[in-house]
Amino acid sequence: AQKITQTQPGMFVQEKEAVTLDCTYDTSDPSYGLFWYKQPSSGEMIFLIYQGSYDQQNATEGRYSLNFQKARKSANLVISASQLGDSAMYFCAMREGPSGYALNFGKGTSLLVTP
Amino acid sequence: EPEVTQTPSHQVTQMGQEVILRCVPISNHLYFYWYRQILGQKVEFLVSFYNNEISEKSEIFDDQFSVERPDGSNFTLKIRSTKLEDSAMYFCASMGPDSNQPQHFGDGTRLSIL
Repeated sequence: AQKITQTQPGMFVQEKEAVTLDCTYDTSDPSYGLFWYKQPSSGEMIFLIYQGSYDQQNATEGRYSLNFQKARKSANLVISASQLGDSAMYFCAMREGPSGYALNFGKGTSLLVTP
Repeated sequence: EPEVTQTPSHQVTQMGQEVILRCVPISNHLYFYWYRQILGQKVEFLVSFYNNEISEKSEIFDDQFSVERPDGSNFTLKIRSTKLEDSAMYFCASMGPDSNQPQHFGDGTRLSIL
């Protein structure tokens, strides 16, 4: 079974608008971490934001925020005020258990920001 | 800002040949990882390394693969006898000692098997 599900293979958003990229996860471990990474066309993986399962508040990092709904097992990424440079693949990932464990990635969402 | 460095950026190898991919993790990090991404697919975990030994590995990481931290700074992935299906982008990642930190990825090595 898929641990991380990203249901949007591709998304379009106009510059300066906000966009939400969906991510749902599946785990029975009470301790886990959720991550979002950005992969531009050049191929590198850039860490964006992290949410821990015990964190009470939703994570925010600049224009990125994570809409964490624990009961629904969703961890959606919200990008506010989209910029052309935000066009990239976005991957949601989960770490189950203690901090040293491996990341399990979703299939990604391709975001295109249009002028 | 410190970063994970991978070399080479692109490696072309004949099928059946051995290949070594190299990584220099961030200096105070304690956890090291290799992932791969076949073109157009999701990132897949291969192996994690902590305290000079493998801590976790996936079913992809079979006897053809090995990892080493030979000198306290480099972290290498060796594929003994490459197959066509080993063609992928290989990412090294490292993570610091504190809990709930992200894994920081290198820019990847694109491995092409001919």
